[in-house]
Amino acid sequence: AIQLTQSPSSLSASVGDRVTITCRASQGISSALAWYQQKPGKAPKLLIYDASSLESGVPSRFSGSGSGTDFTLTISSLQPEDFATYYCQQFNSYPLTFGPGTKVDIK
Amino acid sequence: EVQLVQSGAEVKKPGESLKISCKGSGYSFTSYWIGWVRQMPGKGLEWMGIIYPGDSDTRYSPSFQGQVTISADKSISTAYLQWSSLKASDTAMYYCARGNWAALAHFDYWGQGTLVTVSS
Repeated sequence: AIQLTQSPSSLSASVGDRVTITCRASQGISSALAWYQQKPGKAPKLLIYDASSLESGVPSRFSGSGSGTDFTLTISSLQPEDFATYYCQQFNSYPLTFGPGTKVDIK
Repeated sequence: EVQLVQSGAEVKKPGESLKISCKGSGYSFTSYWIGWVRQMPGKGLEWMGIIYPGDSDTRYSPSFQGQVTISADKSISTAYLQWSSLKASDTAMYYCARGNWAALAHFDYWGQGTLVTVSS
């Protein structure tokens, strides 16, 4: 199975900060990567698919990049509603796998 | 509007059986894969398996193969996740989520989750 690692596992940031989260795959997955946001007590929400495509309705401050094994989710200017846990997910091969998550909280 | 509506919270005893559901609406239910994802208390997301309601083609994660059964009834646009003998370690939130026409895909719509508690 393809393993995904995320770094950092948690971070503290302020409103307006630029935030970058990294996801690394244990083998190449082309661009078959998605990013999700999950708030406490809520279902995950799709932000980015195919590594860099912004899901409809998601604010443009969210962006994704990368291919192969290294991927990045960037929030250009952190907003109060962005404090949440972020997960990457690969869909290159079965079993589909998720990264362990990155928790973004308020500094 | 695409919606996935899951059945309500369950409290069960070890050894009991359970079947939870996920009803899709607002789209062609038979044309999109539906996946199931587990989230244990305070933990991350784990992909369990996926089903294509059009022909019931099903794939399982090796971690869950033999532990659960995924099925679907396309006549009522509903997917299911079932256990024949629950364990305390099955206590978790379970989400269904819509993939797309391809078996390997991201999930664009999610159900609200079904909390399963297994305790003696």
